[in-house]
Amino acid sequence: DTAVSQTPKYLVTQMGNDKSIKCEQNLGHDTMYWYKQDSKKFLKIMFSYNNKELIINETVPNRFSPKSPDKAHLNLHINSLELGDSAVYFCASSQGVGYGYTFGSGTRLTVV
Amino acid sequence: GNSVTQMEGPVTLSEEAFLTINCTYTATGYPSLFWYVQYPGEGLQLLLKATKADDKGSNKGFEATYRKETTSFHLEKGSVQVSDSAVYFCALSDGTALIFGKGTTLSVSS
Repeated sequence: DTAVSQTPKYLVTQMGNDKSIKCEQNLGHDTMYWYKQDSKKFLKIMFSYNNKELIINETVPNRFSPKSPDKAHLNLHINSLELGDSAVYFCASSQGVGYGYTFGSGTRLTVV
Repeated sequence: GNSVTQMEGPVTLSEEAFLTINCTYTATGYPSLFWYVQYPGEGLQLLLKATKADDKGSNKGFEATYRKETTSFHLEKGSVQVSDSAVYFCALSDGTALIFGKGTTLSVSS
């Protein structure tokens, strides 16, 4: 059983389109996250939700909107996609400080 | 703000060589410290962690000790294998999110 699963694994789309990435965790964790990994492998936190409530909202364009229908799901919607949005997006979950995070396998988004 | 600094890569070693990847951090309070590994085309896997000063995390032959006096958490392995080739990330948790270093690419040749 996959602990943190993301879909799709690959996403190729044209500039200006709207797309969504889904994330589900079956670990019973209260907190979920979205990270962006750029072409140089640098990882940056985008959003954090704790039990469906937004906790962290870093300096991210408001074209990005997270949605958490329940504490096991955290989806990422991106409107009006731009070339610079091309990256690998990772979902993660955690049971608390000091426990580390469990990451999904990533979604490679390519905007053409 | 809180931050993590890792040695620049790539690090290229022969099989069975000794590995050290340096990591230092800046943080207020007492963060938890982690090493993650990312194999090509995959997500991040937790390699080891330490939650307080002088704790030693270890896993799969890798070790790192939480040194508060030098604000460091260096990763070491006595004898690397080709299968250890990956990107290694040092990270700290400040209670709200994991903050990562820029990653160090390790390449091990036989």
